[in-house]
Amino acid sequence: GENVEQHPSTLSVQEGDSAVIKCTYSDSASNYFPWYKQELGKRPQLIIDIRSNVGEKKDQRIAVTLNKTAKHFSLHITETQPEDSAVYFCAASKGANNLFFGTGTRLTVIP
Amino acid sequence: NAGVTQTPKFQVLKTGQSMTLQCAQDMNHNSMYWYRQDPGMGLRLIYYSASEGTTDKGEVPNGYNVSRLNKREFSLRLESAAPSQTSVYFCASSESALGVLTFGAGSRLTVL
Repeated sequence: GENVEQHPSTLSVQEGDSAVIKCTYSDSASNYFPWYKQELGKRPQLIIDIRSNVGEKKDQRIAVTLNKTAKHFSLHITETQPEDSAVYFCAASKGANNLFFGTGTRLTVIP
Repeated sequence: NAGVTQTPKFQVLKTGQSMTLQCAQDMNHNSMYWYRQDPGMGLRLIYYSASEGTTDKGEVPNGYNVSRLNKREFSLRLESAAPSQTSVYFCASSESALGVLTFGAGSRLTVL
């Protein structure tokens, strides 16, 4: 099956700085790459996703980039705010309902 | 619109006991999933149901069974609970195979 590695496991940034979380995947057939945010004690929620025919996607302060050749994708959060503090999970899938998640990154934004 | 509802929210079992986690969605989604979340392990797929009447194994199916009762409901059963099954369990649904997952609030299970 797919193997998704995520780094770093923890990340602390000052409010207003940028945060970058990186993921690699093993199966070159994977073509869907979502990112989920999980606040403490809450359920994971999708924040952005990208499909393999696109190299970059932005939504306000959040962007995701995909490098299919290198099999890695990254989440970029600019102008971080305290409410961005959460655990972020990357994931990869080639369809067939099987989404493989990374182990998560705990982001702390320091006011 | 409740989304995905799962019960119970908390449960403590003794080793060897059985229990069923219930999940229901009201979004008319075709696909439903059961994940477990353990510290440092992320979310791992236990079983999924691509459509009503079908179920398939995910990454970690051993020790679990599932039933897709109808389009709305997907239950997870532990026949003989083990301490290794102590975890937070999330049910999720999506409109299609590559659709956005909508998660339930989670069920925290402790097996003593």
